[in-house]
Amino acid sequence: QTVVTQEPSLTVSPGGTVTLTCASTTGPVTSGYHPHWIQRKPGQPPTTLIYSITNRHSWTPARFSGSLLGDKVALTLSGVQPEDEADYYCLLYYGGAWVFGGGTRLTVL
Amino acid sequence: QVQLVQSGTEVRTPGASVKVSCKVSVYTFTNDGFSWVRQTPGQGPEWLGHISGHADNIDYEEKFQDRVTMTTDTSTGTAYMELRSLRSDDTAIYFCVRDSNFIWAYWGQGTLVTVSS
Repeated sequence: QTVVTQEPSLTVSPGGTVTLTCASTTGPVTSGYHPHWIQRKPGQPPTTLIYSITNRHSWTPARFSGSLLGDKVALTLSGVQPEDEADYYCLLYYGGAWVFGGGTRLTVL
Repeated sequence: QVQLVQSGTEVRTPGASVKVSCKVSVYTFTNDGFSWVRQTPGQGPEWLGHISGHADNIDYEEKFQDRVTMTTDTSTGTAYMELRSLRSDDTAIYFCVRDSNFIWAYWGQGTLVTVSS
């Protein structure tokens, strides 16, 4: 069974920088997995922040950036704001099926 | 601004079916596709499947394959997801997402489906 792994939780100070990562049990994550990063805040529908590893949607603040980091994909938040406190999910495509990671709960403290 | 507007809260008994709709405010069904995702409190999101705008390409997550049907109505710009043989663990918020050319963009507001006897 394919598993997409993320850090369960991270804590960052306001104004700081934090990197979340996403790995696949099938091997290195590449562009062929069409990696996405999705943000979920309580009581709100999810928001897609990043697609295809590095691309921001028009509504995604510039402080969010996506990259490859070794065998993983990464989401870096620079100049973290209190409103960035949320759950972040990685999403990967496996030839006809999409699989979400377990999510990272980001606490801004 | 593209909006996906979903149907309202549903309550069903075990064994029943539910059909959730997702209407797109601005659409080009030639290129659009839709994924359906559900999420329960304290759990991560779960992908149920994807349907292209003209329903000529449909993929279902294996665990739902025998219980889910996704359809589209191009005349109204609406996508539908029907889940049958409901169980209590199907209680969740169900979301539609515009998913085209491997790019997930706009999400619906979510539809709460409660399965309880």
